[in-house]
Amino acid sequence: DGGITQSPKYLFRKEGQNVTLSCEQNLNHDAMYWYRQDPGQGLRLIYYSQIVNDFQKGDIAEGYSVSREKKESFPLTVTSAQKNPTAFYLCASSTLTGDRETQYFGPGTRLLVL
Amino acid sequence: SQQGEEDPQALSIQEGENATMNCSYKTSINNLQWYRQNSGRGLVHLILIRSNEREKHSGRLRVTLDTSKKSSSLLITASRAADTASYFCATEGQGAQKLVFGQGTRLTINP
Repeated sequence: DGGITQSPKYLFRKEGQNVTLSCEQNLNHDAMYWYRQDPGQGLRLIYYSQIVNDFQKGDIAEGYSVSREKKESFPLTVTSAQKNPTAFYLCASSTLTGDRETQYFGPGTRLLVL
Repeated sequence: SQQGEEDPQALSIQEGENATMNCSYKTSINNLQWYRQNSGRGLVHLILIRSNEREKHSGRLRVTLDTSKKSSSLLITASRAADTASYFCATEGQGAQKLVFGQGTRLTINP
């Protein structure tokens, strides 16, 4: 059953704490993306990666970090430098050949600050 | 910066009616895509239209693209209660390999 998974579904962060959101895909996709969605808003790109061990900043990368050690995994860390982290975080993936334009999304992680 | 702007922000219609949503963008694009999001869920790809295409159909969906006006529309015909969701347009710019999303249209279909 191919797809993209995100965990946890809900995550709570205390002040000054770093938290890591998981994103895994078994679609054999090369590219992976992290987006942030605020209530009633569209998606804004945080980071993206087109190949293992390489990634690029998106439009709102400050306060976030990522790694891409494996093709299947693209974890996002929300650092204490991100002062307004409460949002819905969506991970997506796409192939770089054939139907490369279409992105496939995970179910999302909702991050709340305690 | 968000390139796509969608209109209206919210739309409420009766089941069986047609729903039309519009998207405008600012720079040249390779393609424009429409995605659907049910409340609290991930996005699902609906349809893609390339810059050299003017109209595309998929089931009850019809998408048009006018590159001279930098605008697109999504028409859902014979709407159903299950079509209730938010709909987003996303553009891929020329030379870019990433999408820029609009703010979405919240569609409510009343039974």
